[in-house]
Amino acid sequence: DAGVIQSPRHEVTEMGQEVTLRCKPISGHDYLFWYRQTMMRGLELLIYFNNNVPIDDSGMPEDRFSAKMPNASFSTLKIQPSEPRDSAVYFCASSGDRVGTYEQYFGPGTRLTVT
Amino acid sequence: GDSVTQMEGPVTLSEEAFLTINCTYTATGYPSLFWYVQYPGEGLQLLLKATKADDKGSNKGFEATYRKETTSFHLEKGSVQVSDSAVYFCALSDGNRDDKIIFGKGTRLHILP
Repeated sequence: DAGVIQSPRHEVTEMGQEVTLRCKPISGHDYLFWYRQTMMRGLELLIYFNNNVPIDDSGMPEDRFSAKMPNASFSTLKIQPSEPRDSAVYFCASSGDRVGTYEQYFGPGTRLTVT
Repeated sequence: GDSVTQMEGPVTLSEEAFLTINCTYTATGYPSLFWYVQYPGEGLQLLLKATKADDKGSNKGFEATYRKETTSFHLEKGSVQVSDSAVYFCALSDGNRDDKIIFGKGTRLHILP
């Protein structure tokens, strides 16, 4: 299995621009999570989906952030307009272990720099 | 609500030293417990897990025992290597409420040669 795939791996953009981060979860997993990691705030859960439906988006920092999951194999996290304080590493993770341990599998992350 | 508390870092040790990273949790019910590791420039990856009281998770020389009486899941390794330098996250999953995992803040470990 290829694991969770994220693209791009690195993104540098100017303030005010739209940024779209992409994620392909592990095939067969029915949960997908978006996290943000910074030195100051650590690892933060932004939003998660179950069977393509958003379950909890209380971690999304502002209306500038939006996430979609149009099908079981693809999700996007969009920031519009981007700001320098959005600079962080964004991780996507998926899970679907019905045996009961509910472990999550993380992608390699997208390092976003907003100048 | 559910929570995880782990010792703050950074932790600096010499190669071949004994490692303990403390982790305690608060949860209603019977959570599954995890240790995740994040190597520089990479995503988190599962190191070990335990699903019920007294279970011992182990991997790559690391061990942790699920202690219900002390609500703890301390990570240990008998002889650390430079390659163990990473950030370690203790985490729990309630299992009754979706697949959401509660992560601790992470402990950065530096191993000196």
